[in-house]
Amino acid sequence: AQSVTQLDSQVPVFEEAPVELRCNYSSSVSVYLFWYVQYPNQGLQLLLKYLSGSTLVKGINGFEAEFNKSQTSFHLRKPSVHISDTAEYFCAVYSSASKIIFGSGTRLSIRP
Amino acid sequence: DVKVTQSSRYLVKRTGEKVFLECVQDMDHENMFWYRQDPGLGLRLIYFSYDVKMKEKGDIPEGYSVSREKKERFSLILESASTNQTSMYLCASSPTDSYNYGYTFGSGTRLTVV
Repeated sequence: AQSVTQLDSQVPVFEEAPVELRCNYSSSVSVYLFWYVQYPNQGLQLLLKYLSGSTLVKGINGFEAEFNKSQTSFHLRKPSVHISDTAEYFCAVYSSASKIIFGSGTRLSIRP
Repeated sequence: DVKVTQSSRYLVKRTGEKVFLECVQDMDHENMFWYRQDPGLGLRLIYFSYDVKMKEKGDIPEGYSVSREKKERFSLILESASTNQTSMYLCASSPTDSYNYGYTFGSGTRLTVV
């Protein structure tokens, strides 16, 4: 069965600094990967997805992620964060029979 | 835009009450899901449904049941609410090929059982 591991439960960064949120997945022949964002007291919103093709995927709000097959990683990055990026971020992988498996989440806190 | 609407944002119920959480999607998605979210535990799948009148247990179905009488509506039922069911409940939907599109989530219902 597929699984994802988010290596950091919390990541504090200063405003306008770059950030990387780490995600590793269990290896499989075909991999479909997602990043979701959850703002306080809201549901999850899709940031970006990797299905195939280019290993660098661009998403909304200036985020991007890189698929690395050899390291089984799908890290999320943003070159310069804003206060409004404060949220919890979930990495996810398609498993089987329409099910998507979510990581435990990384809470991103932005310091002014 | 796909919309998944959960009927209540906040709900307070008493122990022992029967509680209904409603979820409606407007994009003709085949799949619908119910999760609960608790601090430190991430998202845990309660039940899911691939089609009308079909349901399958997720990872933590105990104390819950579901109903899907129409394609667009998926209800979560707490037969006899208990304080350990205080949580954030998230509904999601997807087309059959969820690997292509991912899930679309509702805004969540924060349930408090007192």
